[in-house]
Amino acid sequence: DTEVTQTPKHLVMGMTNKKSLKCEQHMGHRAMYWYKQKAKKPPELMFVYSYEKLSINESVPSRFSPECPNSSLLNLHLHALQPEDSALYLCASSPRGGLYEQYFGPGTRLTVT
Amino acid sequence: KNEVEQSPQNLTAQEGEFITINCSYSVGISALHWLQQHPGGGIVSLFMLSSGKKKHGRLIATINIQEKHSSLHITASHPRDSAVYICAARTWSSGSRLTFGEGTQLTVNP
Repeated sequence: DTEVTQTPKHLVMGMTNKKSLKCEQHMGHRAMYWYKQKAKKPPELMFVYSYEKLSINESVPSRFSPECPNSSLLNLHLHALQPEDSALYLCASSPRGGLYEQYFGPGTRLTVT
Repeated sequence: KNEVEQSPQNLTAQEGEFITINCSYSVGISALHWLQQHPGGGIVSLFMLSSGKKKHGRLIATINIQEKHSSLHITASHPRDSAVYICAARTWSSGSRLTFGEGTQLTVNP
């Protein structure tokens, strides 16, 4: 299994909602990443988990809360988002951090109304 | 000036043409990645290279460390190659962070 899966594919939420994005990989990778991508822009790194511990938080607002319950799963909990948070949220994984190729999931397209 | 710059920003080609996308970087790197993103979002990693040249099917990636320059070539281009191609650099000090170029939108017409 060489896939990173993400659910849901699309999500529309109001500014007062709480929702979660889910990412899963079964490649035995020990580093997992969340990226945010706005239209026609490259991805921006949000968080990195290494061996289930948060190793990088790129000063992301607290309305985004990551969680890594085990080595295969990565969640992104969303609360009180703003319309400008509408974007494609991409998950990626790599065997470890550092000098390894990253495998990306298909993304969740989030719209905040 | 961005640390990673790509050219051209947009590229239109006819099916069968040889295509080159360029990536220049201003920092010392440990590896350079070429990524492909189709409309709809998902990103596919095409190559990771730190020296020389790699080939996969009709795709070839080269890197010149001294000149801080990498190229992605597509031979015998096909409409299904239409996508955004992104180069991303990993520096020795950046750990897991990638510094992305702005991407090249490639359209291959039949």
